[in-house]
Order: sequence, then structure tokens, then C-alpha cells
Amino acid sequence: SYALTQPPSVSVSPGQTASITCSGDKLGDKYVCWYQQKPGQSPVLVIYQDDKRPSGIPERLSGSNSGNTATLTISGTQAMDEADYYCQAWHISSVIFGGGTKLTVL
Amino acid sequence: QVQLVESGGGVVQPGRSLRLSCAASGFIFSNYGTHWLRQAPGKGLEWVAVISYDGSSKFYADSVKGRFTISRDNSKSTMYLQMNSLRPDDTAVYYCAKDLMTVAEYYFDSWGQGTLVAVSS
Repeated sequence: SYALTQPPSVSVSPGQTASITCSGDKLGDKYVCWYQQKPGQSPVLVIYQDDKRPSGIPERLSGSNSGNTATLTISGTQAMDEADYYCQAWHISSVIFGGGTKLTVL
Repeated sequence: QVQLVESGGGVVQPGRSLRLSCAASGFIFSNYGTHWLRQAPGKGLEWVAVISYDGSSKFYADSVKGRFTISRDNSKSTMYLQMNSLRPDDTAVYYCAKDLMTVAEYYFDSWGQGTLVAVSS
């Protein structure tokens, strides 16, 4: 079955750029989206169709997808960005999530 | 504004059944596909099932196929998840979510607050 792999954790200093990867076989042939989840809260969609931002999501969050890897990039990382991030791909009959990455802003 | 409210969770013994509901408001419910997802304590997100806007198409994760049934009542703007033969590994917070777009592309732009299902003897 299809699998998406994320690093368990990523650390970044405030103001720096954080990159969270999501890998899967020929992932670039699929659309990928990303969710942010803070403790005790429901997930929030931050990127869809690889690189589109829903309304209300700041421009410093961006996405890309090519080859076997999709990447969520957070520029000028702030303390409020500390959260778990999940990538997700889909087929008409199923949805796959990555295992999640805990972003720590040190 | 869009609101999704789950209900029906609780503690249940292994092998028993439970029905979850998801009441929607703030959007035209009958235009969107909707999903159930779950998150076991301390774990990641897992998709459970999807139902199309008109209820004609339904798909399930392998882990629940044959045990869970998704349905919807567009006249009540409500989606359901009938869970039978529950197992301890079904213990999770169950979320309902709607598709971002009216076409069948699965991005979940609105989520409920979740309802906890605990399967334990």
C-alpha cells in the first residue's frame, strides 16, 4: 500500500526558514496538501494542491511537490508556528497521511 | 461560518456498536463530500471513510471496511458513522471534515472538534 514518510521532528530558530519534507513513490504525480495541528486542537489546512494557500493562511507558508518529495516551507518562523504538521495525498477511493512532523521553534 | 459538530462518542466494550453523528451548518451541505477521520491518543491522523455529496459513493479505509458504515441525510445536514464490531485499536478521537471544493478532491478545509471513542472492557 502507498505510504508517505515524514521526519518525526524538525527544529528551527525564530526568524529562520523551516522545511518539512514528505516522501512517497512518484509523489510528484499526485496532489499533496498539508495540515497544521496544535495541541488539543483540530487540524487546519495550510496548503492544498501542492502549493495553494487557503484564505487566511500567511504567505510565509509555502509548498512544493516534485519527483518523490513534497516540501512545506515556513519562512520567518514564529513561535506560533510550533505545531505538528501532516502531509496528505489522495486517490478517489482513499486518503493517505504522513506520520507527522513536530516542528519545534527553539 | 462553517461549523461541524460531532456527537455520539463514549466508552464501549469490544465487539459492541456505536453511531457517531456530524451536524453541519454554515454551508450547503448537499454540495460537498464529507469524511470521517480519527486520531488515536498521541498518534497521527488516519482517514476512515468518505461519502460523496449525494451519498452515491462511499469508500473506506481497509482497517474499518466491513465493520463501519458511512451515511448522510442531506435534509438534516448530518453525516453518520455506524461502527460495529469495535476493537480496542479503534480507540481514537473521531473527526468529521468537509471537502474544500465541490469536486472530488480530498482536502479538508473544515473539521469538527472531535468526539472520543474508547473501546475497553
